Amino acid sequence: DVKVTQSSRYLVKRTGEKVFLECVQDMDHENMFWYRQDPGLGLRLIYFSYDVKMKEKGDIPEGYSVSREKKERFSLILESASTNQTSMYLCASSLGGGRYEQYFGPGTRLTVT
Amino acid sequence: AQSVTQLDSQVPVFEEAPVELRCNYSSSVSVYLFWYVQYPNQGLQLLLKYLSGSTLVESINGFEAEFNKSQTSFHLRKPSVHISDTAEYFCAVSDGASSYKLIFGSGTRLLVRP
Repeated sequence: DVKVTQSSRYLVKRTGEKVFLECVQDMDHENMFWYRQDPGLGLRLIYFSYDVKMKEKGDIPEGYSVSREKKERFSLILESASTNQTSMYLCASSLGGGRYEQYFGPGTRLTVT
Repeated sequence: AQSVTQLDSQVPVFEEAPVELRCNYSSSVSVYLFWYVQYPNQGLQLLLKYLSGSTLVESINGFEAEFNKSQTSFHLRKPSVHISDTAEYFCAVSDGASSYKLIFGSGTRLLVRP
């Protein structure tokens, strides 16, 4: 059974803290994605990676960075958390380009106070 | 740039009634179309997809969607809903095989009442 796991379901952090969100997939997928989900806005792509150490900015990369040192792991980093980064963060992976299904993790609900 | 519109933010319906969730996308150039479902406190999972061929695609739990190129639509339908269908539904579009990106609509919350 395919699996995408995220390190935390819920996180509460203070403004200015550095935050790490971890995602691991066990399907040997090339592509991995980070989205944020906000009510009424759907899912917006933050960053994606199509290979180890390769990354591309999505639609809303400001305030975020990513790291992919191993194929199965993709990390999202908030260098200095702000209250407007309070959101649900979803990680996904896929085998290839547009025609392939994306598999999603359960999400991390991050609250920045 | 490609965009996806889901006009209905919430659709309330009684159990066993039919339902249609609407989805329109902006460009008719070669696209792949998807419907994802998100049950409460879970991530998204694929419900069905259109890649090519027959314009009517079906899921294992009774949903179907029809690709209409002239109207740039991919509406989701079910003839008789169950309480367990209560979830949020997202329409998504990919701009062809070379694109890694999925563009998501804003989602439609289906609320099935007894």
